[in-house]
Amino acid sequence: DVQLQESGPGLVKPSQSLSLTCSVTGYSITSGYYWNWIRQFPGNKLEWMGYISYDGSNNYNPSLKNRISITRDTSKNQFFLKLNSVTTEDTATYYCAREGLITTVVFDYWGQGTTLTVSS
Amino acid sequence: DIQMTQSPASLSASVGETVTITCGASENIYGALNWYQRKQGKSPQLLIYGATNLADGMSSRFSGSGSGRQYSLKISSLHPDDVATYYCQNVLSTPWTFGGGTKLEIK
Repeated sequence: DVQLQESGPGLVKPSQSLSLTCSVTGYSITSGYYWNWIRQFPGNKLEWMGYISYDGSNNYNPSLKNRISITRDTSKNQFFLKLNSVTTEDTATYYCAREGLITTVVFDYWGQGTTLTVSS
Repeated sequence: DIQMTQSPASLSASVGETVTITCGASENIYGALNWYQRKQGKSPQLLIYGATNLADGMSSRFSGSGSGRQYSLKISSLHPDDVATYYCQNVLSTPWTFGGGTKLEIK
């Protein structure tokens, strides 16, 4: 079965960069699909951040402008989120998720989420 | 960006009741609409895709309808296990966008 697992530092200081890892088991991230980062803010709003595709191409939410980068390590079957110049508004639970297609785009597998707090 | 507006923001109903959550898009999304269920402390789970299709493993008490800019999620015969926050999602064009969520509680 496909499983995704996020990991990260838990706490980051304002103006620093956050780096998160999504480890995937049960499916190779180079075989297909799109591999996404989504975050849930306090208050429960969800925001799609972006993805890296099976072929290594990216698509980012324009709201994150030049702050975001999603990369991967195919040898470890992991993909990564880097967000620069964080502020307290980046405090959220971060999920990685697989994006597939069954008549429409769907997020069919999700990690359990990792909480990130931005605070000095 | 396509804006998604859900209502109500919260809902309280009794076991056995039927409830409806609505989702409006800022433009026609041609049925490219998903619903997710997120239980407390868990990640979201796909519930309905393509506006009307029930995801594998989800209860047939859930149904979706709608077209154009207006969509709805109906939950029939409420169970205590339905306590969750429900989200709609635009999947017509990126950036994929979500509604603000509807928190369902049981009276």
